[in-house]
Parts: sequence; C-alpha cells; structure tokens
Amino acid sequence: DVKVTQSSRYLVKRTGEKVFLECVQDMDHENMFWYRQDPGLGLRLIYFSYDVKMKEKGDIPEGYSVSREKKERFSLILESASTNQTSMYLCASSLGGDSAETQYFGPGTRLLVL
Amino acid sequence: LAKTTQPISMDSYEGQEVNITCSHNNIATNDYITWYQQFPSQGPRFIIQGYKTKVTNEVASLFIPADRKSSTLSLPRVSLSDTAVYYCLVGDFGGSQGNLIFGKGTKLSVKP
Repeated sequence: DVKVTQSSRYLVKRTGEKVFLECVQDMDHENMFWYRQDPGLGLRLIYFSYDVKMKEKGDIPEGYSVSREKKERFSLILESASTNQTSMYLCASSLGGDSAETQYFGPGTRLLVL
Repeated sequence: LAKTTQPISMDSYEGQEVNITCSHNNIATNDYITWYQQFPSQGPRFIIQGYKTKVTNEVASLFIPADRKSSTLSLPRVSLSDTAVYYCLVGDFGGSQGNLIFGKGTKLSVKP
C-alpha cells in the first residue's frame, strides 16, 4: 500500500513565524500535492510538483512556497505565518504519467496560527 | 476550468441506496471524473473513477451520461460507517496537473 506521511498532526505557531510542513511518500510517485481544507470551501490546491525541483502553482499559492529536493519529499513553507493560514493541510501523491490516476493522501496537519 | 457542484449534505438510513450527483458543465474532453471519501481527521480516500457510461467496483457505481456534464455516485445499501464527506473531482491528471478541481463535498449522514 502507498503510504503518505506528514511530519505533524497538530501544529501551533505564532504570527510571523516561518513554518515548515513536511510530506514523505514511499511509492516512488512522480507527482506530489499540497492542499488546504477549510470548512465550507472543500479542498483547494496550493502547489504541486511533477518532478524533483519542479513546481507549479495551484489555485491559492499566495503566502506559500514549496520545495522538492528529493523525489519522496515535498515541503510546504509558510514564510511568515498569518492567522488566515490556520487550516488543515493535506499532502497527496500520485504515480505520474499521462493516464488518469489516483491521488493518495496523508492524514493531514492541523495548523493553528495565533 | 471545470468547476463542480454537489449538494452540501444528504441524509439516509442504513440499508438504503444513496445517489450523490455532481454537476460539471464545463468538463473538458480529456477530463476524468473521480470520487473520494473523507472521514473526520483523515485524508480523502479514492472510491471510483470513470470517463463515460457506467463504472462499478466493490464499493460503488458511477453513472456518467453521454454529455458528461454530470455524474452520479451510487452507494448500495449504506451502513453507518459510510457517514463521511464525498468529493467529486474533475481533471485530466496527465502532464500538467494544474487543473485539478475538487468540489466542496457532500456530507452524507447515515442514520440507524
């Protein structure tokens, strides 16, 4: 089974702090994604990566950056956390390629910015 | 971009068949339709995927009309454990992944 792990289940940070959310997948997947999930808004794509060192903006990239130095690891960075970034953050991965494919999600990180 | 629209919530009773419809009027030729299930405090989990007509697996069926502007997820004989949020996803998933779009989800409540 594909396993996607996230570094923390719960995180509390202060406004202005730099925050790193780490995601690791163990199935050699090409594609990795970061979403945020908020009540009433569903899942929204922040960034995705289809290869090492490659990244593409999703629907809501403002205030975030990402890093993918190794294939199995995709990091989401909040350069200066703000209260409106309080949310559930979900990482996902998929095999990659031209065919329609399943995304596998991690358990999520619930971030609270005070 | 193919936006999706789903009912916000649905109620059902154990043993009933549940049908959740998703509208995607602007679906593109290369787009597939995928449904995910999410329990509280967990990431979404893949249920079923289709391109056209009908797809069935051990968990659900997916009905897609010829114009592909909507799709219906059918859950046969639901149980309490099917209480979850169900998301409809439309995208081509290949090459550029930038057009992945999740609907807002349908919260299904199954009652005894």
